[in-house]
Amino acid sequence: DAGVIQSPRHEVTEMGQEVTLRCKPISGHNSLFWYRQTMMRGLELLIYFNNNVPIDDSGMPEDRFSAKMPNASFSTLKIQPSEPRDSAVYFCASNQGDRANEQYFGPGTRLTVT
Amino acid sequence: KQEVTQIPAALSVPEGENLVLNCSFTDSAIYNLQWFRQDPGKGLTSLLLIQSSQREQTSGRLNASLDKSSGRSTLYIAASQPGDSATYLCAVRGNAGKSTFGDGTTLTVKP
Repeated sequence: DAGVIQSPRHEVTEMGQEVTLRCKPISGHNSLFWYRQTMMRGLELLIYFNNNVPIDDSGMPEDRFSAKMPNASFSTLKIQPSEPRDSAVYFCASNQGDRANEQYFGPGTRLTVT
Repeated sequence: KQEVTQIPAALSVPEGENLVLNCSFTDSAIYNLQWFRQDPGKGLTSLLLIQSSQREQTSGRLNASLDKSSGRSTLYIAASQPGDSATYLCAVRGNAGKSTFGDGTTLTVKP
């Protein structure tokens, strides 16, 4: 398997623009997680889905952030409008079955908002 | 709210040395604990996963232990190599399925 796939790998955008990050989980995995990593706050869970349904979105910082998982093989994280403080590396991870199993991470998207 | 702490934040050792990385957590009601490795500018690679009912897991030169009652886990690396240089993160997964990460320990193994 190719592992968790994220796109784009790098994104540079101006403040106020809409940003969409994409994730394809490992085939057969039914849980998907979006994380954000910064020097200040470390790695934070933003939201996670189980069987395409959002289970916990308490980590989503503001209404400017939204996430969808229309099917088992695709998820998006959208920021609208973007702000400089959203600059971070955004990771997607997935795992198979229930919470007992390992999470596998994608390579991340490095977002810079100027 | 679960809090995860990793000590030390950074560690530098000569090649060949055995070392221990520490992870502590405040809420012992966990489902499992996972150790990851992160290389600069890269994603996270899973190293070991310990279920709450287990005491330890081993993979090659790595051994992870878990003492749930005291809220501690250790990652033991035997015969360290320069290629082990990376940041090591522990993640505690709660019963609701949500993971909380520590800030990591950055390890440098000098040749």
